[in-house]
This record gives sequence, C-alpha cells and structure tokens, in this order.
Amino acid sequence: EDQVTQSPEALRLQEGESSSLNCSYTVSGLRGLFWYRQDPGKGPEFLFTLYSAGEEKEKERLKATLTKKESFLHITAPKPEDSATYLCAVQRGSDYKLSFGAGTTVTVRA
Amino acid sequence: DAGVTQSPTHLIKTRGQQVTLRCSPKSGHDTVSWYQQALGQGPQFIFQYYEEEERQRGNFPDRFSGHQFPNYSSELNVNALLLGDSALYLCASSLGLAGVSYEQYFGPGTRLTVT
Repeated sequence: EDQVTQSPEALRLQEGESSSLNCSYTVSGLRGLFWYRQDPGKGPEFLFTLYSAGEEKEKERLKATLTKKESFLHITAPKPEDSATYLCAVQRGSDYKLSFGAGTTVTVRA
Repeated sequence: DAGVTQSPTHLIKTRGQQVTLRCSPKSGHDTVSWYQQALGQGPQFIFQYYEEEERQRGNFPDRFSGHQFPNYSSELNVNALLLGDSALYLCASSLGLAGVSYEQYFGPGTRLTVT
C-alpha cells in the first residue's frame, strides 16, 4: 500500500526565515506527486505536480523538488500569508486516486 | 471561470440518518472524486466517478454510495450515519482521460457533524 509521510508535523517561522518541508513516499510506479495548500476549514488548493526525479517547479516564494524517494517544498523568505497546512499526495501509475500525507502546518509570525 | 462548488456548506445529522452531499465540477472537467478528511488528517479517497460510472473505490463501506449525472455533477450518499462519519467531505474534479495524470481541483467542502 502507498505510504506518504510528511515532516515536520508543525513548523513555526519568523517572517523572512526560509525553511523546507519534507514528503517521503513509498509507491509502486509513481505517476505524479502533488503539493496542495489548505487553509483552515477550506478545501485544498493545488500548487504543483512533479512527475520525475530531478524535476523542480516554482511559484512565488515556493519551490518544489522531487527525488526517487522524497519531495521537498522550500519556502523562501515566508510572509504571514504563507501560513497554512501543506499537503503532499502521490498517484500510482495504475490508479486514479490521490494518497495524501497528514500535512505540515506552517505558521509564519510577523 | 467557475471552480468546484459543493452544497451544503455545513450539515448536522443524527446517528442512523442518511445524508446526500452535492458537487458541481470545474468548468471543462468530466471526472469527480470524493474524499473524507478527519480533523488533523489528510484527505482519504472514497471513490471516483467518470462517464457516470464508479471507476475506482477506496476502503469505505457500502454505506457510502454515489452518482454522477450527465452534466458531470455528482452526489455522495451516506446511509446509517455513525459518529465516526463526522468529517469534512471534499469533492475534487479533473479531466478523466485514462492513463494520464491530471491535477485534481478541490471544492470548499461540506462539514458533516453526526450527533
């Protein structure tokens, strides 16, 4: 069965203090790895899809990278509005479903 | 561009009752997936509908059933509600071409509370 583990569970940052979130996965035949942002009480918002090891994607202060066993979400010079839970999900080649990790809750203080 | 919409926003039901949740996909999408998210957890896949058929199902009992209409909208039905069914129910839409990975876009969710 697919396993997705995110660390740390929670991250408290000062505004401007860059950091990285980790998503390690065990899946047979990865088709895609997805990053989402979720604000409290709302649905996940799509951020990135990564398909193969070595791939990188960027959006504003966020950069996602992928290796054969894990993915990192780098937050550069975060602002308070970057506070949210960041979810990682994988999709197997033979599947249609997304298998999610439990998420990392990021709090950025001004 | 209309995103994924879900109704109702909140719902309170009693144990043993039945509930129906509704979802309209993002414009241009033909596939709907349903997920259950308990507090502090990641979403768990319930099932996916494509061409009005259930295409894949997660580890949920038969009390959970669904339907997709010709306009691609979908319903999730849960019978014989249990306290443990209290959660945020998320609908996600995507393109359904087989063998291709398309991003799933989520709606705002329906918060179900079972008392």
